[in-house]
Amino acid sequence: GESVGLHLPTLSVQEGDNSIINCAYSNSASDYFIWYKQESGKGPQFIIDIRSNMDKRQGQRVTVLLNKTVKHLSLQIAATQPGDSAVYFCADPGSSNTGKLIFGQGTTLQVKP
Amino acid sequence: GAVVSQHPSRVICKSGTSVKIECRSLDFQATTMFWYRQFPKQSLMLMATSNEGSKATYEQGVEKDKFLINHASLTLSTLTVTSAHPEDSSFYICSASEFLGYGYTFGSGTRLTVV
Repeated sequence: GESVGLHLPTLSVQEGDNSIINCAYSNSASDYFIWYKQESGKGPQFIIDIRSNMDKRQGQRVTVLLNKTVKHLSLQIAATQPGDSAVYFCADPGSSNTGKLIFGQGTTLQVKP
Repeated sequence: GAVVSQHPSRVICKSGTSVKIECRSLDFQATTMFWYRQFPKQSLMLMATSNEGSKATYEQGVEKDKFLINHASLTLSTLTVTSAHPEDSSFYICSASEFLGYGYTFGSGTRLTVV
């Protein structure tokens, strides 16, 4: 079945360093991916998205890279700040026409001061 | 930007009682709303998909008689946890989508504690 998974459960980085969070997906028909940030006790917050006709998309301090050949995407956060500490999820509506978002397991990003 | 309001943010109820959680899209009409459940240190698990004016579609393993979903308008969906038990204690999150497969906005979540 469809699944979206993350490689590492926890990532610890020093403040100011760059962070890279990875995600693998299994459905080759998936054509849209979203990264969310979830702080403790809150709902997921949209960070950035990418469609399969793109390999890279940049936002403010964030970049998402998509490698369709190996079904992998990554979220890069530049100059990581303490406020970036949260759980990050990749999500994928899949090929279903219901639009159901499938979430990966999440990576906890810890930023050390 | 799109805003989804979820209420209440926290609720404590006694075993056997029912609790209603509301999810409202404030500045857009949501053709589809989704309800998720999240246990500590775990990912979001989709419970059901609801479309305005029709019955909700529940994911496998989710009891539709226990988790009643009503989507009476394009801006409001409710989840009622009936005859709540301590194992229903969890973080419930709604999401609304204006366009199918795109533009998902999440509520702030509801922490349900059943005692």
